[in-house]
Amino acid sequence: GAGVSQSPSNKVTEKGKDVELRCDPISGHTALYWYRQSLGQGLEFLIYFQGNSAPDKSGLPSDRFSAERTGGSVSTLTIQRTQQEDSAVYLCASSLIQAGAATNEKLFFGSGTQLSVL
Amino acid sequence: DQQVKQNSPSLSVQEGRISILNCDYTNSMFDYFLWYKKYPAEGPTFLISISSIKDKNEDGRFTVFLNKSAKHLSLHIVPSQPGDSAVYFCAASARNYGQNFVFGPGTRLSVLP
Repeated sequence: GAGVSQSPSNKVTEKGKDVELRCDPISGHTALYWYRQSLGQGLEFLIYFQGNSAPDKSGLPSDRFSAERTGGSVSTLTIQRTQQEDSAVYLCASSLIQAGAATNEKLFFGSGTQLSVL
Repeated sequence: DQQVKQNSPSLSVQEGRISILNCDYTNSMFDYFLWYKKYPAEGPTFLISISSIKDKNEDGRFTVFLNKSAKHLSLHIVPSQPGDSAVYFCAASARNYGQNFVFGPGTRLSVLP
């Protein structure tokens, strides 16, 4: 597809269960980001992948959160033993980073996954 | 410690008038700034950006102003239209730190017909 695709669009789970959220970035984009937006809050950075470099995991809120990016394309965000405070919209974004990049990088966002932990 | 602040959670403006959304930042390493617009149930979409080498960038009804000494930027929308009603996020990046975009908490703009 032409844009960033996320699945599922909605996920309802029970406290204590594990969930996996998927992101398909725009083809050719080397950078991939996960953010989340809790109700009434701004966008909270979670993790960033850039090419083959080690990901920047500085935003992950706990060790229950992990993410992978296989083959430099699709990414999966996994939340283990979900808690009610994990309920949020999880947004994935990608961008095209060019060598010697100018200042015109921007993020392209998917529509997000609305996660509800009961 | 919020590095990007949007101190007005909401703003209401009459159709046809100017909307001014403000953003302040604390990290002097930020050198690239963006504004995103978000409608309910959709992902944020890019609106306009500005590099720290400029103090103004204009695109149609949207203009972003950057005051580096004050660590302040603003988005002007003129004339405002009802379709501009959305949440607006300010974002900043320090390219030397690997493109980690930091977002503000957003301002909800309501343009009244």
